[in-house]
Amino acid sequence: EDKVVQSPLSLVVHEGDTVTLNCSYEVTNFRSLLWYKQEKKAPTFLFMLTSSGIEKKSGRLSSILDKKELFSILNITATQTGDSAIYLCAVEGDGTSYGKLTFGQGTILTVHP
Amino acid sequence: DTGVSQNPRHKITKRGQNVTFRCDPISEHNRLYWYRQTLGQGPEFLTYFQNEAQLEKSRLLSDRFSAERPKGSFSTLEIQRTEQGDSAMYLCASSRGQGDSNQPQHFGDGTRLSIL
Repeated sequence: EDKVVQSPLSLVVHEGDTVTLNCSYEVTNFRSLLWYKQEKKAPTFLFMLTSSGIEKKSGRLSSILDKKELFSILNITATQTGDSAIYLCAVEGDGTSYGKLTFGQGTILTVHP
Repeated sequence: DTGVSQNPRHKITKRGQNVTFRCDPISEHNRLYWYRQTLGQGPEFLTYFQNEAQLEKSRLLSDRFSAERPKGSFSTLEIQRTEQGDSAMYLCASSRGQGDSNQPQHFGDGTRLSIL
């Protein structure tokens, strides 16, 4: 059974700090790893990673995947209060359903002014 | 791109009642997924449609749950004889995919179900 473990479960920082969120996984025949940001409503898509060692960036956020060690990190630099949210990591294997995602528990990030 | 739309946003009902939720995916997306999320947990997969065909159901989906996607457009999720443990956020997601290629899933705002 596919499994995703995220750490830390919660994190409290001040504006301007840099944070690193971790995601380790076990999956049958890995296809992709995705990061989502969830505030009060829908998870919103951040990154989709399929290849090791290639960093994806979007503004202050970046993510990288290590398929050998089975983990990914999400970095947020110069954090802002608007970054406060739950960050979810999910993996897709090629089991029975294309696109079926297995999620981790999430990391709750709180950014204080 | 109007996003994934779910109705209702909130549903409060008494134990034993039946409830039905609706999901309208992004129009050009052929794949549709239902997930359930409880407080403090990530979403858990329930079921998946490619066009109108339901291709997988999680073992989390008991016989009281049924989902349909007539004509491969909107989808409904029905829960019969609701129980306290059904209280959760029900999320719908859609994506575009062909064969073993899949684009990222985009989620709706969910339907929050509370069982009294």
